[in-house]
Amino acid sequence: GESVGLHLPTLSVQEGDNSIINCAYSNSASDYFIWYKQESGKGPQFIIDIRSNMDKRQGQRVTVLLNKTVKHLSLQIAATQPGDSAVYFCAENHGSGNTGKLIFGQGTTLQVKP
Amino acid sequence: EPEVTQTPSHQVTQMGQEVILRCVPISNHLYFYWYRQILGQKVEFLVSFYNNEISEKSEIFDDQFSVERPDGSNFTLKIRSTKLEDSAMYFCASSELGDTEAFFGQGTRLTVV
Repeated sequence: GESVGLHLPTLSVQEGDNSIINCAYSNSASDYFIWYKQESGKGPQFIIDIRSNMDKRQGQRVTVLLNKTVKHLSLQIAATQPGDSAVYFCAENHGSGNTGKLIFGQGTTLQVKP
Repeated sequence: EPEVTQTPSHQVTQMGQEVILRCVPISNHLYFYWYRQILGQKVEFLVSFYNNEISEKSEIFDDQFSVERPDGSNFTLKIRSTKLEDSAMYFCASSELGDTEAFFGQGTRLTVV
């Protein structure tokens, strides 16, 4: 069946450290992936995306890595700040029919300790 | 910065009643979506809408659900006869194309009592 999952439900890091959040996906036909951040009571907020023809993409303080061989996605946050505390979801666009449907993973809660 | 807006932010309804959740997608976007999130769980796809018709729907989106774009700016989700298990956060999203980033609204918290 279709599923996108994260390896750890909660990640606790010290302020200033780097964070790595992982995600495994199951559909090898997926060609577009997005990381979202969700703060309590709010909607998912776009962080960064990557297409299947790339294996790395960098944004401001964030990097997404894609390993298609093992169907693994990761989000790296440099110099983690208290404002980064949230639930992080990876989402997978299956690409078939180009309907835009996203399949979300279970989410990892990032806790930043001051 | 353009954003997706949703109203109301919170809706309480009695079981069996009809509810309409409203959304204004980003103006130049062509694809519209509804997702839901039960408290503490992941975000689940309900339906995608393009060119004035449903392009894909999930198993959750049964005959009790319908979507409509009544004018050039609004996108609505109707639940005909609400059940207790429909209680969730409902998120509207939009994207320029089917394979570009989707932007989400702040959600409507639906509570069925």
